[in-house]
Amino acid sequence: QVQLVQSGPEVKKPGASVKVSCKASGYTFSAYGISWVRQAPGQGLEWMGWISGHNGKTKFVQKLQDRVTMTTDTSTSTAYMELRSLRSDDTAFYYCAREVVEVAGSYWFDPWGQGTLVTVSS
Amino acid sequence: DIQMTQSPSSLSASVGDRVNITCRASQSISSYLNWYQQKPGKAPKVLIYAASSLQSGVPSRFSGSESGTDFTLTISSLQPEDFATYYCQQSYSTPYTFGQGTKLEIK
Repeated sequence: QVQLVQSGPEVKKPGASVKVSCKASGYTFSAYGISWVRQAPGQGLEWMGWISGHNGKTKFVQKLQDRVTMTTDTSTSTAYMELRSLRSDDTAFYYCAREVVEVAGSYWFDPWGQGTLVTVSS
Repeated sequence: DIQMTQSPSSLSASVGDRVNITCRASQSISSYLNWYQQKPGKAPKVLIYAASSLQSGVPSRFSGSESGTDFTLTISSLQPEDFATYYCQQSYSTPYTFGQGTKLEIK
């Protein structure tokens, strides 16, 4: 079955960086993009950006584009999201999700990884 | 950026009730609207994509409709497992944006 498995929880100090991994299985990795979505505790969902599984092309939300990097390793079917200069308000669950595309041009996220809690605290 | 306004933010209902959750886009997004369900401690799961297409494996009591920039998720007869938080999301243009969520609670 199609599955995304993320790396474990992280605790970081303000100013540090974190790198979260997302290992895909059950489908051809290069045929789909991966989006990253975060959710602060008790809050809503925020799309962070997207990376193509085919050529590594990326798109980011403007507020994060100076601090985030997204990469892929097609040899291991793994996507990575690195966030730098961490602040306390970056504390959140970080999810990867496969972006499914329909012929008519609709996009949706399915499935999602299980989430990785990143805690930023001094 | 496209703003998605979801209502209500919370809703109390009983098993067997019919429930509607609404999402309004700040501009035209055609039918590029998805609905997700999230249970506590779990990742979101897609229910409806392209405004009205039911994701494989999702019960038929879930349905989606649209009227201009207004979109509605309907649960025809609430079941105990449906009590969760629901989010709409536009995929018309990046940055993709979500509604603020609707928490559906047991009355």
